[in-house]
Amino acid sequence: KNEVEQSPQNLTAQEGEFITINCSYSVGISALHWLQQHPGGGIVSLFMLSSGKKKHGRLIATINIQEKHSSLHITASHPRDSAVYICAVRSRSGSARQLTFGSGTQLTVLP
Amino acid sequence: KAGVTQTPRYLIKTRGQQVTLSCSPISGHRSVSWYQQTPGQGLQFLFEYFSETQRNKGNFPGRFSGRQFSNSRSEMNVSTLELGDSALYLCASSPPGSEQFFGPGTRLTVL
Repeated sequence: KNEVEQSPQNLTAQEGEFITINCSYSVGISALHWLQQHPGGGIVSLFMLSSGKKKHGRLIATINIQEKHSSLHITASHPRDSAVYICAVRSRSGSARQLTFGSGTQLTVLP
Repeated sequence: KAGVTQTPRYLIKTRGQQVTLSCSPISGHRSVSWYQQTPGQGLQFLFEYFSETQRNKGNFPGRFSGRQFSNSRSEMNVSTLELGDSALYLCASSPPGSEQFFGPGTRLTVL
């Protein structure tokens, strides 16, 4: 079982829809990251969370440490949100600063 | 501030050759991490450097090595290239305890 599981793997939405991407992890973590990767490879860090909820524009990220689960929400989705969204966790033990990544969610927002 | 830069952006090598990739972090960032991204394995952690010292190493063979210079610039080297080393190699820099800022990546093709 992978340490970080994301769902869904692929998601197609109509412009304006509310989108949720989920991430579950199996280890104790010091932080969880949500990343966005556009075609061509460039990765942008969207959020770094250790508890609670963060909001930036139309993006909201939440984390439940007890349930080892995080969600990324996109409100009023737009075609420019089309990208791969990747969840990554930084373990609390062992190689503490090493990031372990989920397999990503390919989001396509249709106009 | 200028972002993370990586050179070269694209590289084609043949099996058995070696390659050196370079990463210049954001000014003031002393931590540099390297990642490999392939279609089959996704994103995987290679190593992390801080103040010229390797702090963590991922589960990669000894053919993969790296170093960091006093100005925080980092290089990674892959010797005796194999077809499976074809990947996007990403570098990220960060200040202590903060999110990572990714470079555009170097796309390596091994023929």
